[in-house]
Amino acid sequence: EVQLLESGGGLVQPGGSLRLSCAASGFTFSNYAMSWVRQVPGKGLEWVSGLSTGGSTTYYADSVNGRFTISRDNSKKMLYLHMNTLTAEDTAIYYCAKDPGRTTQWIWDYWGQGTLVTVSS
Amino acid sequence: DIQMTQSPSSLSASVGDRVTITCRASQTISSSLNWYHQKPGKAPDLLIYAASNLQTGVPSRFSGSGSGTDFTLTISSLQPEDFATYYCQQSYSQPPTFGQGTKVEIK
Repeated sequence: EVQLLESGGGLVQPGGSLRLSCAASGFTFSNYAMSWVRQVPGKGLEWVSGLSTGGSTTYYADSVNGRFTISRDNSKKMLYLHMNTLTAEDTAIYYCAKDPGRTTQWIWDYWGQGTLVTVSS
Repeated sequence: DIQMTQSPSSLSASVGDRVTITCRASQTISSSLNWYHQKPGKAPDLLIYAASNLQTGVPSRFSGSGSGTDFTLTISSLQPEDFATYYCQQSYSQPPTFGQGTKVEIK
């Protein structure tokens, strides 16, 4: 059974940093592209970042480019999102999501349960 | 960025009703259109990919159609577990973008 389990969310002050993690199981993690998608509670979905199977090719939404860094450790079956210079607009539930292909198809067939990031003083 | 617009934003329907949700892209996206539904407090679930392909395990009462800029999600006979918010999403070009969502409520 495919499982994605996010962690690392919490309350952080504006300008602060946070690292989100996503632990994958039930599939060959290194064979699939991955993404982070976020959602302001009660609002719509926004793609944040994605990366290829090896992690060498990364993509970012304009809203986070230069502040967030996506990475993966295939040996540990982990996906990460390093978030810097956080603002209130980054407050959201962050989902880890699996792409069905090796390259980024921008389709997500499995999602984690999400981790809430709250940016507030 | 490609803008995705869904209609309606919300609808009320009864169990057994046929429900149709539309999604329009701001430019042509071929058949690169996916549908998800999301129940309160849960992550989204993929229903249909590439406009008309049913994801494994999704009931056959769900169907999708369209190409170019106009797409449709149809639920042939609404079931109690289908009351949720539905999102379309384009996978044609980066950045992938979502519609604003359509909330399907019980009449």
